Amino acid sequence: EIVLTQSPATLSLSLGERATLSCRASQSVGSYLAWFQQKPGQTPRLLIYDASNRAPGIPARFSGSGSGTDFTLSISSLEPEDSAVYYCQQRLNWRTFGQGTKLEIK
Amino acid sequence: QVQLVQSGSELKKPGASVIVSCKASGYTFNKYDMNWVRQAPGQGLEWMGWINAKTGNPTYVQGFRGRFVFSLDTSVSTAYLQISSLKAEDTAVYYCATHIGVPQDFDSWGQGTLVTVSS
Repeated sequence: EIVLTQSPATLSLSLGERATLSCRASQSVGSYLAWFQQKPGQTPRLLIYDASNRAPGIPARFSGSGSGTDFTLSISSLEPEDSAVYYCQQRLNWRTFGQGTKLEIK
Repeated sequence: QVQLVQSGSELKKPGASVIVSCKASGYTFNKYDMNWVRQAPGQGLEWMGWINAKTGNPTYVQGFRGRFVFSLDTSVSTAYLQISSLKAEDTAVYYCATHIGVPQDFDSWGQGTLVTVSS
C-alpha cells in the first residue's frame, strides 16, 4: 500500500499570505496525485488532478506541483473561504488518501 | 449537470444491515465507474473500492471485504452500498464518487450519507 504523509497537520496563516502544503508518498506515484478541499460539513471538492492540473472552476490561486514522491499544493493569496482541510490522494496503485492538512485563516 | 444524490441518514443497531443508495443523473451511468469513500467522525477520507459500471464487477479494498457489498441497478442509474452485521465502528459518512470531467479523479461526489450504529 502506498502511504501518503501530509505536512503540516495544521497550518495557520493570515489573509493574503501564501500557503504551501506538502504531500509525500512512500513510493513513486508518478504524476497520479490529486488534491481535494473539504470544508466543515461539506463534500470534498477536487482542486488539482495529475499533480498540476486545476480542475474546472477552480480559481487560479490554487496550484499543484511535484512528481514521484514529493508534491506541493500552493494557494497564492489566502481568502477567508480557503479555510478547510486539504487531502492528497494517489491513484497509481489502487487509491489512498493522505491524513489531511487543516488550514486555518487568522 | 452531473448529480449524485444519496439516500438519507440511517440509525441502526449493532448487527443490523443498511443499504445506502446513490442515484446518478446528467451523464451516461454505465460509462463511469462508481467509487465509495468512508469518513468516520472527525477523521479523514478512506477509499473503500469501486464497482465497474459496465460489468457490475466490484473491487474492495482490504478492510472492506466480507460485510460490504457494492451493486448497481443500471435501469434506474443507481449504485448501492450494503453493509451487513453493523458495528459501532461503521459509524461514518459514506460518499459515492466518480470521475466524469477529468481523467480518473473524483470530480463528482454524492452529498454523503451518515450511518450511525448505536444500541
